Amino acid sequence: KNQVEQSPQSLIILEGKNCTLQCNYTVSPFSNLRWYKQDTGRGPVSLTIMTFSENTKSNGRYTATLDADTKQSSLHITASQLSDSASYICVVFRGSYIPTFGRGTSLIVHP
Amino acid sequence: KAGVTQTPRYLIKTRGQQVTLSCSPISGHRSVSWYQQTPGQGLQFLFEYFSETQRNKGNFPGRFSGRQFSNSRSEMNVSTLELGDSALYLCASSSSGGGAEQFFGPGTRLTVL
Repeated sequence: KNQVEQSPQSLIILEGKNCTLQCNYTVSPFSNLRWYKQDTGRGPVSLTIMTFSENTKSNGRYTATLDADTKQSSLHITASQLSDSASYICVVFRGSYIPTFGRGTSLIVHP
Repeated sequence: KAGVTQTPRYLIKTRGQQVTLSCSPISGHRSVSWYQQTPGQGLQFLFEYFSETQRNKGNFPGRFSGRQFSNSRSEMNVSTLELGDSALYLCASSSSGGGAEQFFGPGTRLTVL
């Protein structure tokens, strides 16, 4: 069964700290993996897109990693800011580009 | 460049009615995808249209349908509404679909009473 599991479900950190979000998937055949940030009441915004051959991709303070052998990905946020408070969603596209979504990690950054 | 727009932003309907949602993609984008987001199920893929043809479809009943026009604007229709159809409906556009980056609209919040 094609599934995407994210952990933790929720996370609270202090401003300025780093954090890492996890994504495990069983989607097959793999096409690409994406991380999205979704602020409350708004549509998701793309952070990174990674294909099978890419191990790391950065977008400012966001760095995503992909291990296609273990089917795991992580999103590392460096020097967190209050504006990082949002839901972070991992999406894996399979074969003919049909997406399977994780349930997301809710991140709260406190001052 | 204008982003993806969705209309209406909010909608209240009663069970049994039907509803049509509209999505205008970013200029030049030919692929439009539709998603349903609920607290219980999260984000789920409905379907994708490319150059007026449905290219991919998720696991939703036939009550959910869509179409795309020659100017790439897309509509989504839900017939015989059920309480469980209450959700945020998002559309996303991309230049070509597939591996291309998607840009999401703000969504239409549908409430079924």
